[in-house]
Amino acid sequence: DAGVTQSPTHLIKTRGQHVTLRCSPISGHKSVSWYQQVLGQGPQFIFQYYEKEERGRGNFPDRFSARQFPNYSSELNVNALLLGDSALYLCASSFRDRGTGELFFGEGSRLTVL
Amino acid sequence: AQSVSQHNHHVILSEAASLELGCNYSYGGTVNLFWYVQYPGQHLQLLLKYFSGDPLVKGIKGFEAEFIKSKFSFNLRKPSVQWSDTAEYFCAVNANNNNDMRFGAGTRLTVKP
Repeated sequence: DAGVTQSPTHLIKTRGQHVTLRCSPISGHKSVSWYQQVLGQGPQFIFQYYEKEERGRGNFPDRFSARQFPNYSSELNVNALLLGDSALYLCASSFRDRGTGELFFGEGSRLTVL
Repeated sequence: AQSVSQHNHHVILSEAASLELGCNYSYGGTVNLFWYVQYPGQHLQLLLKYFSGDPLVKGIKGFEAEFIKSKFSFNLRKPSVQWSDTAEYFCAVNANNNNDMRFGAGTRLTVKP
């Protein structure tokens, strides 16, 4: 069975540009969460979507946005990139909406902003 | 909002040594607790989880963790580590009915053969 898939795996952007990261959840999972992992730190929660609705948002600026499609895949968009946005962006899917759902992580999209 | 502290940034052990990684969280309500592991070159995967019931939970590969509510702790243990346990370990917490899972900064474990 396919796990959580993310694309692209690596990308390089310059300051001020825009980036779109994509995620396909495990089949049957309706919840997708996005996390940012900066080198040396644990993942930080950005967004969670369930059944195409935003169910949670972390402490990130409005430059970060996301959406979930009818097939439960998801996109994370970041506008006006800053050097500090360089990180590994992780997508995780789960079957449940809240709290008790185990998260299944993809391998991440590594973004470098120059 | 809940937060998670992992006390050890890097732990180095020899094979067969015992392991205990500390994790403390701050949140006054009901929480769900997790340990995730990231082996070199692989994605994060669940090691074990606690939702309710017996505070001593057992996970994969001989790992266990004990939830001590009075200490707000969820320490990870393994009686005898192997070289293949070399990885980064993350403690994570979320509150019931909360979609925000908070991760600790992680502990890098190096096991020398």
